[in-house]
Amino acid sequence: AQKITQTQPGMFVQEKEAVTLDCTYDTSDQSYGLFWYKQPSSGEMIFLIYQGSYDEQNATEGRYSLNFQKARKSANLVISASQLGDSAMYFCAMRPMDTGRRALTFGSGTRLQVQP
Amino acid sequence: DGGITQSPKYLFRKEGQNVTLSCEQNLNHDAMYWYRQDPGQGLRLIYYSQIVNDFQKGDIAEGYSVSREKKESFPLTVTSAQKNPTAFYLCASTPTPNTGELFFGEGSRLTVL
Repeated sequence: AQKITQTQPGMFVQEKEAVTLDCTYDTSDQSYGLFWYKQPSSGEMIFLIYQGSYDEQNATEGRYSLNFQKARKSANLVISASQLGDSAMYFCAMRPMDTGRRALTFGSGTRLQVQP
Repeated sequence: DGGITQSPKYLFRKEGQNVTLSCEQNLNHDAMYWYRQDPGQGLRLIYYSQIVNDFQKGDIAEGYSVSREKKESFPLTVTSAQKNPTAFYLCASTPTPNTGELFFGEGSRLTVL
């Protein structure tokens, strides 16, 4: 079974500053993928970034980067230069890539509020 | 434009009634998924289908049923056996079961009166 833990129910950050959203995971799979999604108040789920368990470099997508520490089983999301539009719920998720149930397992989320 | 369409966006139902949520995709994706989201919480998997005419239970399948008769369609029925059906329901798809990123619909919000 897979488990995702997001320990920060809510976070505040000043506009233009960087913020790190924590995510730890537990799995017995050797090959897996880690994902981050953003959910604005409208409810849609927006894919942000992906990291494979065998990827040696941390993933980056524009202002988003994933700080992947495999030994510690953590996959923290870093948002640089926060914008007011970044205010939303953020979910960490994972799935096995080789076998078993290939559906995403989600964490409970972190609500980020960007302050002007 | 390609995407996932969920309908209705808002739905009200009386206790004891079954209701079916529609999910249609024109992305030619093999795998489709249904998730439930309760206020302030993460998404929980209800059912998923990796191929037409096949589907698997997720973590909270009790009180729900699905069908996958066509590749593009994966309707979810919330039956009267579901004890707490009021929630936000999200449908998603991936090109193949091995592809990571899920593409989501805009969701259906079900309220039981």
